Amino acid sequence: GENVEQHPSTLSVQEGDSAVIKCTYSDSASNYFPWYKQELGKGPQLIIDIRSNVGEKKDQRIAVTLNKTAKHFSLHITETQPEDSAVYFCAASMEAGTALIFGKGTTLSVSS
Amino acid sequence: NAGVTQTPKFQVLKTGQSMTLQCAQDMNHEYMSWYRQDPGMGLRLIHYSVGAGITDQGEVPNGYNVSRSTTEDFPLRLLSAAPSQTSVYFCASSYSYPSNTEAFFGQGTRLTVV
Repeated sequence: GENVEQHPSTLSVQEGDSAVIKCTYSDSASNYFPWYKQELGKGPQLIIDIRSNVGEKKDQRIAVTLNKTAKHFSLHITETQPEDSAVYFCAASMEAGTALIFGKGTTLSVSS
Repeated sequence: NAGVTQTPKFQVLKTGQSMTLQCAQDMNHEYMSWYRQDPGMGLRLIHYSVGAGITDQGEVPNGYNVSRSTTEDFPLRLLSAAPSQTSVYFCASSYSYPSNTEAFFGQGTRLTVV
């Protein structure tokens, strides 16, 4: 089955810096790659996703890139703010109706 | 619009007790799933369902049962709780056809087995 590796497990940055989180997946059939943000005591919430027919997607300060050949995808957050502090999860799934498999998460801390 | 509702929010069980974690969604999503979250382990898939009457096992199904009699509800049953099942449990739902879409998560159930 699918296996998703996520790095780093913790990331500390200064406010205004950029943050990058990287994930690799094992199954070349995977075609949907979402990123979730989890704040303390809450359930994960989708912040951005990308499909295998797209190489990059941006939404304001957040961007995701996908390299299908290398089977890895990354989350980029620019101009970080203290409210970006949270746990971030990457995930992957194959065709419609199949399970979403998550990485182990990255705890991002943004200090002001 | 309530989204995904999980009950209870907190529960303490004794080893060997049984209980059901409830999950309901009001978005008419066909796909529902249960995850457990443990420190350093991320979100691990327990069971999932692609529609009423259809369920399948995920990464860590042992010790858990599910059923899907309606589109709205997807309860998770612990038949004989063990300390290893101490965790935070999340239910999620989404549209999955013609392609997978955003999964909406509940607020979680924090379960402690003593």
